[in-house]
Amino acid sequence: GENVEQHPSTLSVQEGDSAVIKCTYSDSASNYFPWYKQELGKRPQLIIDIRSNVGEKKDQRIAVTLNKTAKHFSLHITETQPEDSAVYFCAALYHQGGKLIFGQGTELSVKP
Amino acid sequence: DAGITQSPRHKVTETGTPVTLRCHQTENHRYMYWYRQDPGHGLRLIHYSYGVKDTDKGEVSDGYSVSRSKTEDFLLTLESATSSQTSVYFCAIRGAGELFFGEGSRLTVL
Repeated sequence: GENVEQHPSTLSVQEGDSAVIKCTYSDSASNYFPWYKQELGKRPQLIIDIRSNVGEKKDQRIAVTLNKTAKHFSLHITETQPEDSAVYFCAALYHQGGKLIFGQGTELSVKP
Repeated sequence: DAGITQSPRHKVTETGTPVTLRCHQTENHRYMYWYRQDPGHGLRLIHYSYGVKDTDKGEVSDGYSVSRSKTEDFLLTLESATSSQTSVYFCAIRGAGELFFGEGSRLTVL
């Protein structure tokens, strides 16, 4: 079936430290794996995505890695800042590219 | 921001009444989605559409129906609202890649 598991559900780090969030997906996912950030009271917004023909993608302090063999992908945030505090969601595309299924979310808290 | 609007943004209703939420886009995107967001459950897919009159179920479709008679509009209907359907509902649209969310509709069923 279609399933995305995300861990941890909460994560607290000190400002300047790194944060890592991991997701696993079930067999039938296709080739697109995005990450979304949701600030309190706002809509989720895309921060980075990766397609299955690459293993890693970086955008400034954010990077995503994909291991297709193990069926997992991870979000890495370096040099965290208080404004990184938010809920982060991973997702995977299923059903021939139509159905986007999200993980349960990780609440990241960056302490000054 | 992508051209996507939801209405109503807030609604309070009573158990057993019908409710329709509307999602409107100006981007001519093929895919449209309805998600619900509840604490501890993240974003769960209710239904999605891949074209006019083409819809499919998501993870939590029981108690919900959808219709898409025009490219720009995707309606979510609760035929008989229950308290368990109290939630924040997000519509989203997608073209070739990125998913864009609407601002959300907060529904309270008393």
